[in-house]
Amino acid sequence: SQQGEEDPQALSIQEGENATMNCSYKTSINNLQWYRQNSGRGLVHLILIRSNEREKHSGRLRVTLDTSKKSSSLLITASRAADTASYFCATDAGWAFGDDKIIFGKGTRLHILP
Amino acid sequence: GAVVSQHPSWVICKSGTSVKIECRSLDFQATTMFWYRQFPKQSLMLMATSNEGSKATYEQGVEKDKFLINHASLTLSTLTVTSAHPEDSSFYICSAPNPPRLASAKNIQYFGAGTRLSVL
Repeated sequence: SQQGEEDPQALSIQEGENATMNCSYKTSINNLQWYRQNSGRGLVHLILIRSNEREKHSGRLRVTLDTSKKSSSLLITASRAADTASYFCATDAGWAFGDDKIIFGKGTRLHILP
Repeated sequence: GAVVSQHPSWVICKSGTSVKIECRSLDFQATTMFWYRQFPKQSLMLMATSNEGSKATYEQGVEKDKFLINHASLTLSTLTVTSAHPEDSSFYICSAPNPPRLASAKNIQYFGAGTRLSVL
């Protein structure tokens, strides 16, 4: 079953612009993660934000979390062609799921135009 | 970071044959691994949780006899698609949780590169 829903489903921007993707989820969580998937490959973990955190940074990535709205956003600043990929949010859904199990959202396909 | 190896990366088989996919944790032990299925331009759907030394836990709607999972050691889980049919064609991905299971980051998953299965 899906826990998270990302929007937009697809996003095309010019190189150098900022890209913002949003994720909404349904149940209480302990943490929320963002992953990246290049076409035809496995996923790579980008960043984890805990339920008691509101914002987190990692390089050109900025993640926010609003537990009252059950939503998160991923901002990629100064986008590069190499950022072209699909981005997924994933949540653990707290007690409702097993300790390690995470559930993925539908993803946003990001395309950086040269 | 932790490395998960998945093999093969691509397999083509005839309808009715069985296909085995391996998922190995190369530099850490994984008592739990996860198997996902992904259709083109869609998200990952969790199929089952592979548990070392015990039976796998399957998600609702996933056929246990169709997708056999064996987790015989702390570094290897296998998924066997039995009597494969064209509708089983998909991208299958495995993952293992972050070692050493820090409480603050225990849900982080390390993924294999995936296996593209095409059943003719």
